[in-house]
Amino acid sequence: EDKVVQSPLSLVVHEGDTVTLNCSYEVTNFRSLLWYKQEKKAPTFLFMLTSSGIEKKSGRLSSILDKKELSSILNITATQTGDSAIYLCAGQGGSEKLVFGKGTKLTVNP
Amino acid sequence: DAGVIQSPRHEVTEMGQEVTLRCKPISGHNSLFWYRQTMMRGLELLIYFNNNVPIDDSGMPEDRFSAKMPNASFSTLKIQPSEPRDSAVYFCASSLEGGLVEQYFGPGTRLTVT
Repeated sequence: EDKVVQSPLSLVVHEGDTVTLNCSYEVTNFRSLLWYKQEKKAPTFLFMLTSSGIEKKSGRLSSILDKKELSSILNITATQTGDSAIYLCAGQGGSEKLVFGKGTKLTVNP
Repeated sequence: DAGVIQSPRHEVTEMGQEVTLRCKPISGHNSLFWYRQTMMRGLELLIYFNNNVPIDDSGMPEDRFSAKMPNASFSTLKIQPSEPRDSAVYFCASSLEGGLVEQYFGPGTRLTVT
């Protein structure tokens, strides 16, 4: 059965800190890994990664995939209180199905 | 552009009642997904449709759950009879067919079964 595991489950930091969120996957016929941010409502899309070693970047957020290690990281630099959310990682295999991890709850304190 | 639309946003019902959740995908999207999110189990795929046809319903927990997509702009998820353990947030998401595209989520329906 396909599986995605995220760590840590929760994280509390101060504004300005840099954080790294981890995601490991076991997905048959792996095609892509996606990151979503979930605040109080629906998950919103951040990144899709398909190739190892190529960093995707959006402002202070960046992510990279390591297909050899079956893992991905999401980095957030100079964190702000608005970054407080649950960050979800999902793996996609041979179909359109996404298998989600349980998420990392990030709390950024002022 | 309107995103994925779900109704109702909140539903409180008593055990044994029928519950129907509704979803309108983004216009032009031809894949539709129903998810359930709980603290214990996270976000789980229940069923997905492609061009209105159910493709994978392996995540549907039991026969009390059923989903339909009568046309490209409407889908329902029905629970009959509902039980307290069905309490969760139910999300609908849609995407363009093709696989390597992101899914766009609706605002969710928070279901409470007492």
